[in-house]
Amino acid sequence: EVQLVESGGGLVKPGGSLRLSCATSGFTFSSYSMSWVRQVPGKGLEWVSSISSTMSYIFYADSVKGRFTVSRDNAKNSLYLQMNSLRAEDTAVYYCAKGGPFDSWGQGTQVTVSS
Amino acid sequence: DIQLTQSPSFLSASVGDRVTITCRASQGISSYLAWYQKKPGKAPKLLIYAASTLQSGVPSRFSGSGSGTDFTLTISSLQPEDFAVYYCQQLYSYLTYTFGQGTKLEIK
Repeated sequence: EVQLVESGGGLVKPGGSLRLSCATSGFTFSSYSMSWVRQVPGKGLEWVSSISSTMSYIFYADSVKGRFTVSRDNAKNSLYLQMNSLRAEDTAVYYCAKGGPFDSWGQGTQVTVSS
Repeated sequence: DIQLTQSPSFLSASVGDRVTITCRASQGISSYLAWYQKKPGKAPKLLIYAASTLQSGVPSRFSGSGSGTDFTLTISSLQPEDFAVYYCQQLYSYLTYTFGQGTKLEIK
């Protein structure tokens, strides 16, 4: 069974940093691109970032470019999102997702940016 | 950047109704389109990919069509569990897989 489990969310002050993790199992992690998607309360799904299976290609939404960094460890079957210079508008539930299309998702982790 | 526009944004319907949601791309994306269902507190669920291919385990009352710039998601006979928000997503632009703004399907 494919499983994706996010962690690392929490409450952080504006300007602060957080690192999200997505631990995976049940599939050959190194063979799939992986992505982060977020949902601001009351709003729609927003694609945040994607990374190819071999890390050769990495893309970000304009809203996070220069502040967020996606990475992966294929030996640990894990995906990461380093979030710096956080803003109130980054408050959201963050999901990791497998492949393209996104056929498996984690349960999400809440990130709240507030003073 | 490829923009996706869904219509309508809100849809009120009854159990048993046939409903159609439209997604229009700002440029041609061939058949690189997926549809997702999102319920509160749950992860999104992939329904359709490649515009018309039903994801394994998804009921056959869901169907997708279209290519180029215009796409539709149809639910042939609404069930109580289908009331949710639906999103289209383009996969034409490699690893920049943007979503439409969503369509909220409510019970009439």
